[in-house]
Amino acid sequence: QLQLQESGPGLVKPSETLSLTCTVSGGSISSSIYYWGWIRQPPGEGLEYIGNIYYNGGTYYNPSLKSRVTIFVDTSKNQFSVKLGSVTAADTAVYYCARIYYYGSGSYLWYFDLWGRGTLVTVSS
Amino acid sequence: QTVVTQEPSFSVSPGGTVTLTCGLSSGSVSSSYYPSWYQQAPGQPPRTLIYSTNARSSGVPDRFSGSILGNKAALTITGAQADDESNYYCVLYMGSGTWVFGGGTRLTVL
Repeated sequence: QLQLQESGPGLVKPSETLSLTCTVSGGSISSSIYYWGWIRQPPGEGLEYIGNIYYNGGTYYNPSLKSRVTIFVDTSKNQFSVKLGSVTAADTAVYYCARIYYYGSGSYLWYFDLWGRGTLVTVSS
Repeated sequence: QTVVTQEPSFSVSPGGTVTLTCGLSSGSVSSSYYPSWYQQAPGQPPRTLIYSTNARSSGVPDRFSGSILGNKAALTITGAQADDESNYYCVLYMGSGTWVFGGGTRLTVL
């Protein structure tokens, strides 16, 4: 059973860079039918898509965050990571990593089929 | 900026049927947006319910169903149970590897 686990600092200072890693266990990140994504959720609010990456390194980002976000993959460690620069209190959120099932049974699917448990990152001095 | 719209809240009686909808601030939702639905209980990660408009994720009971109703995607819960009380999010695929989440619907079962 494939599982996703987020890890990284729970507290980041304003103007610094938030860095999180998602470790994929029980399966390979190098599958051709999945992308790997990041989603966040501020306390008491809804979900926001951050971006995603393919195992070959191709990335897509939410236009509203694109100037501050970088997602990269390390297939040797079966991990993918996100960096968000110049953070403010508005970036305080639970950050989820997720697997995106984009193609199966001869059809495009484009949905988040597996989620990590999430990790809370607080931006505060 | 594309906005995906959902009812902020809804209530249903135990055993009743409720339909939550997912629309676009401009335009109609169709299957080409690959609408998907997620259930999220407090303090928990989202759980995938429906993908590609009407396909149920593994293990999801058949009282959850998805469809296109008019110009919106819809999630119908038939025979609502107490543990269906959660937040429900729809997500639309916008192409070019990007998605937009709706603001979520808080469903109360009472």
